[in-house]
Amino acid sequence: GQQLNQSPQSMFIQEGEDVSMNCTSSSIFNTWLWYKQDPGEGPVLLIALYKAGELTSNGRLTAQFGITRKDSFLNISASIPSDVGIYFCAGPIFKAAGNKLTFGGGTRVLVKP
Amino acid sequence: DAGVTQSPTHLIKTRGQQVTLRCSPKSGHDTVSWYQQALGQGPQFIFQYYEEEERQRGNFPDRFSGHQFPNYSSELNVNALLLGDSALYLCASSPLAGEGETQYFGPGTRLLVL
Repeated sequence: GQQLNQSPQSMFIQEGEDVSMNCTSSSIFNTWLWYKQDPGEGPVLLIALYKAGELTSNGRLTAQFGITRKDSFLNISASIPSDVGIYFCAGPIFKAAGNKLTFGGGTRVLVKP
Repeated sequence: DAGVTQSPTHLIKTRGQQVTLRCSPKSGHDTVSWYQQALGQGPQFIFQYYEEEERQRGNFPDRFSGHQFPNYSSELNVNALLLGDSALYLCASSPLAGEGETQYFGPGTRLLVL
């Protein structure tokens, strides 16, 4: 089946730093979604990308839909402590009248001790 | 505007038992999907309901079944529980079972099977 690979698997941030993570697939996706999940909660949608090459921002977050449609990038500028959490990329797979989301394994963002 | 709600928040069961989890979609949404998230992993698609019918199903055994009600709320049932069924069960809703619609998640139900 289709798989999404996220890297890095985990990273440490220091307040004020910029953070980058990416997601790649062996298959083409027509939509890319980025979610953040805090401990004990469900994933929250951060950014949705619908067009190859699209660059979309949401506050300090910027995401890009790769030209090949097989990758996407998420950047967080000037990180703050509440940016800690797990970031997932996801792509919808459409069949008949339904669609399901395929998720990557997540990038865990932690605070540097 | 209420988001996706799920109940209960936590549940402890023993092997062999049956469990029912509940979900109310976001206002204006008519499609409900269920996902299983094991510890340290991304969510895995179980199935999706639209117009009270199962429209898509992931690689889960028949022990996992669901239902959607006329008010669009949904239930996930798991029979003959196994230890490996311990996970966070997430419900997601979207406005249409169509291309391009994003899914919004509830807080999940954490199930522990002993």
